[in-house]
Amino acid sequence: DGGITQSPKYLFRKEGQNVTLSCEQNLNHDAMYWYRQDPGQGLRLIYYSQIVNDFQKGDIAEGYSVSREKKESFPLTVTSAQKNPTAFYLCASSWQGANEQFFGPGTRLTVL
Amino acid sequence: ILNVEQSPQSLHVQEGDSTNFTCSFPSSNFYALHWYRWETAKSPEALFVMTLNGDEKKKGRISATLNTKEGYSYLYIKGSQPEDSATYLCASTTFRAGGTSYGKLTFGQGTILTVHP
Repeated sequence: DGGITQSPKYLFRKEGQNVTLSCEQNLNHDAMYWYRQDPGQGLRLIYYSQIVNDFQKGDIAEGYSVSREKKESFPLTVTSAQKNPTAFYLCASSWQGANEQFFGPGTRLTVL
Repeated sequence: ILNVEQSPQSLHVQEGDSTNFTCSFPSSNFYALHWYRWETAKSPEALFVMTLNGDEKKKGRISATLNTKEGYSYLYIKGSQPEDSATYLCASTTFRAGGTSYGKLTFGQGTILTVHP
């Protein structure tokens, strides 16, 4: 089955710790994206990558970092510099350009 | 309009009612408008991607229209069913140099639809 997987589904972190969220896709898509959702708000773009070894900041990149070493993988690290990391995180992928995006199931991160 | 805005925020209808929601987006440098349906405990799924002014798309009982000059899109659901209950998201993207788009979507906050049996 082709699709996008994110792990883990729920993640708890102590304040001051970095944590990495996994995103893998086997759709052979070039582009991948990370979004954050907070209650009452739309999805906000954190980082996106159009091609392997390249990525750009989205609207709320501060306190986050990414890598794109393989086409199928786009992990997101939430660093201790992120002031309010508790949120629901969604990963997506698409063909290059403004094509429809395919979303993973999401990871809910809670900072204790 | 600088952001993507959706109205209403939430909507309750009875089974069999027809309904519609609005998405407003910046019209300058417009490239594409996306509609997604997000059911509880599932991932968002694309309904439509629209690019041309006057475009109309249909999938079953759901249809959408696009006005790029004035910056709005309508999503219509005919004869709502309980399984249509979901959050409906719209998102727009703009041109980049060279006439294509990065696919960088700006999302509205969504319209939560509840269809009562």
